[in-house]
Amino acid sequence: EAGVAQSPRYKIIEKRQSVAFWCNPISGHATLYWYQQILGQGPKLLIQFQNNGVVDDSQLPKDRFSAERLKGVDSTLKIQPAKLEDSAVYLCASSLAGNWADTQYFGPGTRLTVL
Amino acid sequence: AQKITQTQPGMFVQEKEAVTLDCTYDTSDPSYGLFWYKQPSSGEMIFLIYQGSYDQQNATEGRYSLNFQKARKSANLVISASQLGDSAMYFCAMRERGKSGYSTLTFGKGTMLLVSP
Repeated sequence: EAGVAQSPRYKIIEKRQSVAFWCNPISGHATLYWYQQILGQGPKLLIQFQNNGVVDDSQLPKDRFSAERLKGVDSTLKIQPAKLEDSAVYLCASSLAGNWADTQYFGPGTRLTVL
Repeated sequence: AQKITQTQPGMFVQEKEAVTLDCTYDTSDPSYGLFWYKQPSSGEMIFLIYQGSYDQQNATEGRYSLNFQKARKSANLVISASQLGDSAMYFCAMRERGKSGYSTLTFGKGTMLLVSP
């Protein structure tokens, strides 16, 4: 069974530019998550989708970050405009359902460097 | 207060020895799940093992076992017979049931494990 796919794996941009990341979850997984992992820290949830609806986006900086999951399958996360502090690894994860006992499976991540 | 505490920034172990990575958690929710993930230098978070708050027995998955002590609120990961490929960052994480059933997976700061030949 294929795992969570993400692209690109690496991205370098200058501040104030925009960038987009793509994620394709494990087939059949209804819940999709985007995390931000700053160097030396654990991942922090940015947004959680249940099918194509947003369940939790309380940690998403909505003035610059946006995310969508239009058909309830793959998802894109966008940053516009990027700041230096956005340099991090962006991880996508998926789970079968979205409840507390459900295991989340992660993709390889996108390493973003903002210069 | 931090929900997940990993007090060991780094651990060293020799190949073939067992190692225990510590994790304590803080919650008042009776329903919660505890997870351990491994993150090699490549960056991917690899799921290792899960323990539910209502599970009576400690979880085991191959060389990984979870020493779950509910009263002490600890969920230590035990890796038996360490291998060089076990060198990585290890994260403990918790997800509470919460009021809606949807809640955030909260991670600790991680423990870097280095396995030497």
